[in-house]
Parts: sequence; structure tokens; C-alpha cells
Amino acid sequence: KNEVEQSPQNLTAQEGEFITINCSYSVGISALHWLQQHPGGGIVSLFMLSSGKKKHGRLIATINIQEKHSSLHITASHPRDSAVYICAVESGAGSYQLTFGKGTKLSVIP
Amino acid sequence: NAGVTQTPKFRVLKTGQSMTLLCAQDMNHEYMYWYRQDPGMGLRLIHYSVGEGTTAKGEVPDGYNVSRLKKQNFLLGLESAAPSQTSVYFCASSYLEISYNEQFFGPGTRLTVL
Repeated sequence: KNEVEQSPQNLTAQEGEFITINCSYSVGISALHWLQQHPGGGIVSLFMLSSGKKKHGRLIATINIQEKHSSLHITASHPRDSAVYICAVESGAGSYQLTFGKGTKLSVIP
Repeated sequence: NAGVTQTPKFRVLKTGQSMTLLCAQDMNHEYMYWYRQDPGMGLRLIHYSVGEGTTAKGEVPDGYNVSRLKKQNFLLGLESAAPSQTSVYFCASSYLEISYNEQFFGPGTRLTVL
């Protein structure tokens, strides 16, 4: 079973700061997902990636397959970015199961 | 489009009672999933379905049953609720298998078993 570790568990930042959330996993994967869980509980998918880098607005996700590591960056952070960010991995083509990390709770202070 | 909806949003049960959680999606997705989320733990897959009439066990299936009689609906049943099943339950759906498409999540059902 793949072990997914996220760091830090909790993160407090000032508005405007550059934020990095890390995710590492123990076994090779076919894809990695980043999700956002709003304070109200809703979960939305941010990125799916299997190599390289993806960018959407102020969010950037990178993955290093050899090092079994991914990072989620938020540039020019804003209080509305306050949420729990969840990393999840799928371990092989045709696998229907995601293994989720415990999440990183981000609070951005004005 | 409503996306993925879940009914009910909250429920309190007594130990031994039964209930059914309903998940509905209007995106014509083939794949549907039920997860539970507990404090200090990541989301865990209970059961999933790859199409109408098919279901399969996930990581934590014990104590739950599911049915997918219609493509748009995925039901999660608790036959005899236990306090260990107190959790937040999320339903999700995707068009194809996870590798190629994102999962869309419902708003969640908060279940308390006394």
C-alpha cells in the first residue's frame, strides 16, 4: 500500500506570501492529484499530473517521479486560499483507488 | 447542472439502526465512489462502481453495502450502524477511470452514530 505523507500539517501565512506544500509517497505511481477542501467541507480537484509541472492561475504543481515527491505552490497568497490541501496518488493504470494524504491546513492572514 | 448531490446532509442514528445515503450525479459519469473522512486520517474508499449494475469493494468496505441500479445514482447502506461509522461521507464521480479524468465530489453527509 502506498504511504502518502504531506508536510507541513498546518501552515499559517501572511497575505501575499509564496506558499509551498509538499507531498511524498513510497511506491511508484501512475498519477498524482491535488485537491482542495474548503472550510465548509466541499472538495474540488485542482490538478492531476504524472510528470513535470502544471499551472492554473496562482497555483503551480510539480512532480519529481524519481524522488517520489510533489509540491503545490501558491503565489501571492490570499485569505480565500485558506483551505485544506490534499494530495492523493493512484498506483497503477487501471487502478480505481486513490490513496490520500492527511491534508495540509493552510490559513492565510490578511 | 447540479453536479454531484448527496442526501441527507446530516443524520444522527442510534446503534443498530439502518439507513441509506443517496448520491446522484447528472454528468453521465460511468465511475462513482463512496469515501469516508475521519479526523486525522485521509479519505478512504469504501466502495466504488465502474458502471450501472456493478460494484466493488474499496479499502474499508466492512459494515457497508452499495447498489448502482441506475447510472446516475449510487446508494450506500448501513444495515446496523455502529459508533465506529460516525464520519463524514463523500460521494464522487468521474467520467473515466481516475487516470484520465478528475473526480467530482458531493458536499458530504455528516453521520453521527450514538
